[in-house]
Amino acid sequence: ELKVEQNPLFLSMQEGKNYTIYCNYSTTSDRLYWYRQDPGKSLESLFVLLSNGAVKQEGRLMASLDTKARLSTLHITAAVHDLSATYFCAVDDQGTDKLIFGTGTRLQVFP
Amino acid sequence: DGGITQSPKYLFRKEGQNVTLSCEQNLNHDAMYWYRQDPGQGLRLIYYSQIVNDFQKGDIAEGYSVSREKKESFPLTVTSAQKNPTAFYLCASRPTGTDTQYFGPGTRLTVL
Repeated sequence: ELKVEQNPLFLSMQEGKNYTIYCNYSTTSDRLYWYRQDPGKSLESLFVLLSNGAVKQEGRLMASLDTKARLSTLHITAAVHDLSATYFCAVDDQGTDKLIFGTGTRLQVFP
Repeated sequence: DGGITQSPKYLFRKEGQNVTLSCEQNLNHDAMYWYRQDPGQGLRLIYYSQIVNDFQKGDIAEGYSVSREKKESFPLTVTSAQKNPTAFYLCASRPTGTDTQYFGPGTRLTVL
């Protein structure tokens, strides 16, 4: 059974600092997704990572995938308040057409 | 205006009543999904459908039912058998041949 773990679950960081969110998963998969959720809102797709070594960047966020280690990272560079949200990773459960979501990382950026 | 719509945004029901949540998309997507989100939690899959007139149970299907009579619509019924139905419900769809699921705005259901 595919399990997805994120850490940390909660992250409070100062503006201008860098930090990394980690997403580990338990069984083989080569497709991983990152989503953002603002409080009370729906999920917004951020990145789709489809192969080992994939790296995608958008603004201050950069996501990478290591399928051998079953690990994805979401790196935040020089955080700003607008990045405050909950970030979810989701892993494709191969052969099932299902995504398995992590529990989310709630990011709070303060001045 | 294309997209995924869910209605209503907020829904209140008395315990023991069935309730149906609407999900409509005009994106011509084949696959549709229903998820449940509890406070501070990730998303859990309730049901999904890859084509019209066919659907599969997800990880927490007990107490829920769905239908897929039209490509555009995938309504979810929360029955009285669902022990703890208060949650945020999200519908998603995915175009054939791609991997990304796109989410609707969600329905917050509160059972009193």
